[in-house]
Amino acid sequence: DAGVTQSPTHLIKTRGQQVTLRCSPKSGHDTVSWYQQALGQGPQFIFQYYEEEERQRGNFPDRFSGHQFPNYSSELNVNALLLGDSALYLCASLLRTSVGNEQFFGPGTRLTVL
Amino acid sequence: AQKVTQAQTEISVVEKEDVTLDCVYETRDTTYYLFWYKQPPSGELVFLIRRNSFDEQNEISGRYSWNFQKSTSSFNFTITASQVVDSAVYFCALRDYNTDKLIFGTGTRLQVFP
Repeated sequence: DAGVTQSPTHLIKTRGQQVTLRCSPKSGHDTVSWYQQALGQGPQFIFQYYEEEERQRGNFPDRFSGHQFPNYSSELNVNALLLGDSALYLCASLLRTSVGNEQFFGPGTRLTVL
Repeated sequence: AQKVTQAQTEISVVEKEDVTLDCVYETRDTTYYLFWYKQPPSGELVFLIRRNSFDEQNEISGRYSWNFQKSTSSFNFTITASQVVDSAVYFCALRDYNTDKLIFGTGTRLQVFP
């Protein structure tokens, strides 16, 4: 059973550009969350997608947007990149159980903005 | 507001020493979940344990043990007889009962030397 996969592994962009990151959840998981982890910090919640809609959102500007496809995979889009957007972007897929919701994280995409 | 504090930025020990990682949390919710994740250099967050606010029983799993004390809002993690493979960044996280958003601490980098 494949875990959460993310692509690409690394990405280098310049300020002002746009970027799209991709995530495939674990088999059977229908919910995807995205987190941003700046160097030396803990991950911060960006948003969550379920049934192809954004359900919850953290404190991130509208430059950060997403999409979920019918197969539950998801994309994170960031427009007008800033230097401060350089970070590890983590995707987590969710398994809803009777004792709580377990989040399984992917390996992340490391984005560098020059 | 919800907050997780990991005051220890970095801990270095020699193999076979015991080590405790501290976590203090703040929340106004009466029902919540606490987590520990391990992040090796590869970047993927590995789930270690979940504890809900109703269950203050301490837990032991192999060389790992967790001490949850609601009275002091702490959820500390102890590794017994540490090994070099335990070297990683460890994150404590909080989630309220009604959402899937995880609030992470800033992490503690553990280095275990042979």
